[in-house]
Amino acid sequence: QKEVEQDPGPLSVPEGAIVSLNCTYSNSAFQYFMWYRQYSRKGPELLMYTYSSGNKEDGRFTAQVDKSSKYISLFIRDSQPSDSATYLCAMSGAGGSYIPTFGRGTSLIVHP
Amino acid sequence: DAGITQSPRYKITETGRQVTLMCHQTWSHSYMFWYRQDLGHGLRLIYYSAAADITDKGEVPDGYVVSRSKTENFPLTLESATRSQTSVYFCASTPGGITDTQYFGPGTRLTVL
Repeated sequence: QKEVEQDPGPLSVPEGAIVSLNCTYSNSAFQYFMWYRQYSRKGPELLMYTYSSGNKEDGRFTAQVDKSSKYISLFIRDSQPSDSATYLCAMSGAGGSYIPTFGRGTSLIVHP
Repeated sequence: DAGITQSPRYKITETGRQVTLMCHQTWSHSYMFWYRQDLGHGLRLIYYSAAADITDKGEVPDGYVVSRSKTENFPLTLESATRSQTSVYFCASTPGGITDTQYFGPGTRLTVL
C-alpha cells in the first residue's frame, strides 16, 4: 500500500459543476499538505498549500484537511474547461522531512 | 529567464548510451530534486540535493548519477541507459524551510530505444 492514495480517474464533469478531488494517507505524522495542478506535457505547479487541519480557500478552490481521518480534499467550484488537468496531492513534514510524498494524480476533464 | 529550466526537452537515445539531463534554476534555492513520472506510478524521487556538494538518494536511484558543484545546476546522468528508463523527468527546487513549496521545471521526455 502506498503512503498516499489517489484515484487516477479520469473524472469527467460538465462545465459549472463542483468538483471534489481526494487523497488518503497512512502516515499520521504528515503536517504539510499541497495540491499541484499539471497540464498535459507541463510540469506540476503549486495550487494550494495548507498546514495541519482545516480549510483554505483561494478563489474557486478550497483545500480541506481532516487529519483525524487522514483525508484531504480539493474542491473546485464553477469548474471551467481550463481546469482540465491532472491534480496531484502531496504531503510532507513527517519526521522532520521536507521532501513531499506525492499521490499518483487524478485526471480531471471538464467538458463544455 | 528567471525560474527553472531543463534541457533538452526531448531526447531519444539507445540502450547502453550515457545521457545527461540538465537542470538550472535562477533563484538560488537550496534544495533541488529529480523525479521521474510514469503512468501508474506518479512522481517518484530519484535524487535530491540540499546544497552544493550534498546529494542523497530518493526512492528510485539505481542507474542514475547526480552531481551539484554549483547551487544553480543539478545534472542527472544515466550512465548506461535502459529501456526501463524511458520516462518524463522533472527537476524541481525549493528554498527549503517551512514552506516546502516545490517549483518544477517543464520536464524532459526521454525515450530509450
